[in-house]
Amino acid sequence: KQEVTQIPAALSVPEGENLVLNCSFTDSAIYNLQWFRQDPGKGLTSLLLIQSSQREQTSGRLNASLDKSSGRSTLYIAASQPGDSATYLCAVYLMDSNYQLIWGAGTKLIIKP
Amino acid sequence: NAGVTQTPKFRILKIGQSMTLQCTQDMNHNYMYWYRQDPGMGLKLIYYSVGAGITDKGEVPNGYNVSRSTTEDFPLRLELAAPSQTSVYFCASSPLAGAETQYFGPGTRLLVL
Repeated sequence: KQEVTQIPAALSVPEGENLVLNCSFTDSAIYNLQWFRQDPGKGLTSLLLIQSSQREQTSGRLNASLDKSSGRSTLYIAASQPGDSATYLCAVYLMDSNYQLIWGAGTKLIIKP
Repeated sequence: NAGVTQTPKFRILKIGQSMTLQCTQDMNHNYMYWYRQDPGMGLKLIYYSVGAGITDKGEVPNGYNVSRSTTEDFPLRLELAAPSQTSVYFCASSPLAGAETQYFGPGTRLLVL
């Protein structure tokens, strides 16, 4: 059974730092991996989607990498800002998933001004 | 475009009561999903639909029912509410399954006492 783990559960860093969030999954037979952002009281917003054939995706200050063989993905945030404070979730879409995304529990990120 | 809208935003139910959570999308997406998110946990799929008139169970369907009479609407029905159904419920939609990301509503916070 696919399991998705995100470590750490919470992270607090000063503004301006570069940081890395981690996501690991147990089954390498994935179709894609997705990173989402969740703000309190709001829904989830898609940040990056990496297809299984890709190694990384970039959007602005965000860069996500994927290593299927080791079952790992990282989300790199450059020059962090207080507005980046949110919970970041990763999810994997299995090749035989019956339309299900398998979700990690998220990393709650706080950027201190 | 409004995207995905959900009503109500918050509701308190007594044990044994019933209610319907409403979800509407205006993006003409075929695929729609209902998730629940418990504190500190990832999202779990309750039900999904691949088009009007077609629905199927996800990982945690017990205690819930859905219908999909139109492309736009995908209501979730809770019968005989139980404290275990206290959670935040998210509705999402996507044009395709898996290949593209899902678009989320703001969520409904439900408390069953």
